[in-house]
Amino acid sequence: QVQLVQSGAEAKKPGSSVKVSCKASGGTFNSYAISWVRQAPGQGLEWMGAIIPIFGAANYAQRFQGRVTITADESTTTAYMELSSLRSEDTAVYYCARDPHIVGVIIDFYYGLDVWGQGTTVTVSS
Amino acid sequence: SSELTQDPIVSVALGQTVKITCQGDGLRNYYASWYQQKPGQAPVLVFYGEDNRPSGIPDRFSGSRSGTTASLTIAGTQAEDEADYFCGSRDSSGNHRIFGGGTKLTVL
Repeated sequence: QVQLVQSGAEAKKPGSSVKVSCKASGGTFNSYAISWVRQAPGQGLEWMGAIIPIFGAANYAQRFQGRVTITADESTTTAYMELSSLRSEDTAVYYCARDPHIVGVIIDFYYGLDVWGQGTTVTVSS
Repeated sequence: SSELTQDPIVSVALGQTVKITCQGDGLRNYYASWYQQKPGQAPVLVFYGEDNRPSGIPDRFSGSRSGTTASLTIAGTQAEDEADYFCGSRDSSGNHRIFGGGTKLTVL
């Protein structure tokens, strides 16, 4: 069974960047996608984007375009999410999750996000 | 529209059946997925698509869709079902995931 283990909590200053990692273990890294979802305190879930590691191309939510970069390293089965120009509103728990079904270079969103990392708390404060 | 709307709070008596709804124009074309989240924990997928329940999810959880509304039904609700529930689907382009605002389910 695939497990996703994320890096630890981060405290950042406004204007800086943060890079969160998500290591997959217990299965192959080349047959699914990794999505990133964040949750501000007391708020709902917000999809940021996704990557299919074997192809390397990422797909971003419009509101994060230009500020988020999602990458993956097949050799270490680790995905990364980097968010730049941080502001206080980016304070949230950031989750990686498995998007289990891909068809070529397309993620099949019919399937839900079936495995989640434990979450990484990112706090942005001056 | 690329929005999904959920009732913020729903209550149900222990052992009764409850339906949690998710409304959005895109649901006419795309199925929803449903996630349960308990305090301090990551979300858990409890139902997706036309009729799919992940392994380990009790069969009291079921889903349906009618027009622009998707529903998650919990039959014989248990105390441990008290949680936040989020629906998810796709935006109008079909290329991005979106989520509803969540429903806090209280079991009385």
